[in-house]
Amino acid sequence: QQQVKQSPQSLIVQKGGISIINCAYENTAFDYFPWYQQFPGKGPALLIAIRPDVSEKKEGRFTISFNKSAKQFSLHIMDSQPGDSATYFCAATNDYKLSFGAGTTVTVRA
Amino acid sequence: GAGVSQSPSNKVTEKGKDVELRCDPISGHTALYWYRQSLGQGLEFLIYFQGNSAPDKSGLPSDRFSAERTGGSVSTLTIQRTQQEDSAVYLCASSSSQGNSPLHFGNGTRLTVT
Repeated sequence: QQQVKQSPQSLIVQKGGISIINCAYENTAFDYFPWYQQFPGKGPALLIAIRPDVSEKKEGRFTISFNKSAKQFSLHIMDSQPGDSATYFCAATNDYKLSFGAGTTVTVRA
Repeated sequence: GAGVSQSPSNKVTEKGKDVELRCDPISGHTALYWYRQSLGQGLEFLIYFQGNSAPDKSGLPSDRFSAERTGGSVSTLTIQRTQQEDSAVYLCASSSSQGNSPLHFGNGTRLTVT
């Protein structure tokens, strides 16, 4: 049973557009929510992370929005670039074991 | 600097054979994880090592799967009597400590069971 549900499975966005990926969780004990980015043939790499005591975190063009009451969090990629084309995984944990979403493949068209 | 190294990068084996997958973590990282990534699926936790503590094996899907970590460094994941459903990418990750230190993943071993 997947503890973190992620949508959409894939999305296509034009260069300069906004990509939005959503995740939902059930376990209220989760207290750390990272996003990982994975390019084909490579392992995932940490992109950005948030704790539930803040509602938003921004790093460059990447922003996490967090809604604790709804148990949802999302990744926004602003001004999407072709180099952002990758698979993105949300995750959650309250200890050492990360529970990952199923992943979203983002394709940015030039 | 050197990242997490996994070998082989690709492995094709016949159903029923045993396979060994190797992971060299980042030097000094005390925590080591194995995850499995199947097509279209997220990352499935398999096993976790932390220092000299007993490993968390709760994610191993069957007793055909085992893993060890020698000397607190290199780890080997062994799959005995492989089945076609074992075909996946096996990812190793290490981190500097417990808690929320980022996981540093290797590029994985793509296992194909024919």
